[in-house]
Amino acid sequence: QSALTQPPSASGSPGQSVTISCTGTSSDVGGYNYVSWYQQHPGKAPRVMIFEVNKRPSGVPDRFSGSKSGNTASLTVSGLQAEDEADYYCSSHAGSNNFAVFGGGTKLTVL
Amino acid sequence: EVQLLESGGGLVQPGGSLRLSCAASGFTFSTYAMSWVRQAPGKGLEWVSAISGSGITTHYADSVKGRFTISRDNSKNTLYLQMNSLRAEDTAVYYCAKGERFAFDLWGQGTMVTASS
Repeated sequence: QSALTQPPSASGSPGQSVTISCTGTSSDVGGYNYVSWYQQHPGKAPRVMIFEVNKRPSGVPDRFSGSKSGNTASLTVSGLQAEDEADYYCSSHAGSNNFAVFGGGTKLTVL
Repeated sequence: EVQLLESGGGLVQPGGSLRLSCAASGFTFSTYAMSWVRQAPGKGLEWVSAISGSGITTHYADSVKGRFTISRDNSKNTLYLQMNSLRAEDTAVYYCAKGERFAFDLWGQGTMVTASS
């Protein structure tokens, strides 16, 4: 159960857009449309921002969007705001024997 | 209010056991798969185990297979994680999470488990 690969850090200025990648294999990201993204502020529980590759739960700003191409999924945050500074994790279903696998996380800094 | 509340964490010696509980409220508990996800200090998220809404089907990460057992009591709206043969590397905050189509859409506040002598 190898973790998905994310860049350890990303950054952008307020108002800019930033994209975080999440690379897996054909057994997880590439094989299922069950990629989700989570935001975690320090000392807090994670919060789902995107599910099923590109769907937003109610209450999540439309500045957050998701996509997938092959074995790589992406989270794009547009119009960066100070409160977007957090850790972001991707996750994917990985088959009947691997219910879920997470990425290593990306620390997003708003400059 | 829709919420999950974990309990049962604490300090345990390596080789020891601990049982975590997660009390659910505000939604039809038996309808949803539930999972445990952990986070070691300063590290990322790691999925640990999942159980179907009926409790019939369970899944485990390789790192805990054979040592941890997930279960649920739908009459009490409660999820459990029995952890045996604990190791130092099991030290983490343990979150319970409600599952919906392989995404975790509701999380508890977490309970800390420390395996140390």
